[in-house]
Amino acid sequence: DGGITQSPKYLFRKEGQNVTLSCEQNLNHDAMYWYRQDPGQGLRLIYYSQIVNDFQKGDIAEGYSVSREKKESFPLTVTSAQKNPTAFYLCASSTDLLSYEQYFGPGTRLTVT
Amino acid sequence: GNSVTQMEGPVTLSEEAFLTINCTYTATGYPSLFWYVQYPGEGLQLLLKATKADDKGSNKGFEATYRKETTSFHLEKGSVQVSDSAVYFCALSDYAGGTSYGKLTFGQGTILTVHP
Repeated sequence: DGGITQSPKYLFRKEGQNVTLSCEQNLNHDAMYWYRQDPGQGLRLIYYSQIVNDFQKGDIAEGYSVSREKKESFPLTVTSAQKNPTAFYLCASSTDLLSYEQYFGPGTRLTVT
Repeated sequence: GNSVTQMEGPVTLSEEAFLTINCTYTATGYPSLFWYVQYPGEGLQLLLKATKADDKGSNKGFEATYRKETTSFHLEKGSVQVSDSAVYFCALSDYAGGTSYGKLTFGQGTILTVHP
C-alpha cells in the first residue's frame, strides 16, 4: 500500500537537544511538506520541498531545518532554537506543488521538557 | 491574506442527528476549498473538495457546496454515526498572492463527538 510513514509516533526530548523527525513516502510524489499542529489551532506550514535538494521556508520555519536528499524522504530537525517545540508534527506530500491535494502521514507527537 | 474561519466547537450530537459545521473564508484569488478529517491520534484525510463556485463536494454522506457569494463552504451530513467523531478542518488552496504553489490555509478545526 502506498502512503506516508512518520516515526516515531511519540518522541520525548530534553530542552536544549536537537531532534529529527522522520517522514517517508512511497507515493512517488515530488512535493513534500511539514506542518505543526497545536491544540485548538489549524495547521501551520514549517517547510516545503518541490524536488530533491530544494526546499523553501513556510510560515513558521524559525528553529527548524530540513533536508531532501532523496525523493521519498523529508526529515525535519527541531533545533534547540525553537522556543516552543512541543507539538504534533504532520508530514504531507502531493504529486507536485501545483496539486492542491495533499496526503498526510499519521503524525509525530513531540514533547520537550 | 487568506484565512479560514470555522464555527467554534466542540460539537456534540446524538447518533442520527443532522450535522452542520460552518466555514467561511477570505481569499485574494480563486481558491479551491476542502474539508479534511482527523481521527484521534491520526493524520489528516481529505474528506471532500470543490474547485469552483457552485461545485458540491461529497463523500461518505458528507456534503459541502462552494458558495462564492457568501464565501462559505459549510459541511453537512444528514445522519451522523459514532464513527464520525473526529476533528474536521476546513481549508483553502490559492495560488494568488505571489505563491509558487497551491498553499493550503487551514481553519482551527472543529471537534465533533457523536454519542450512541
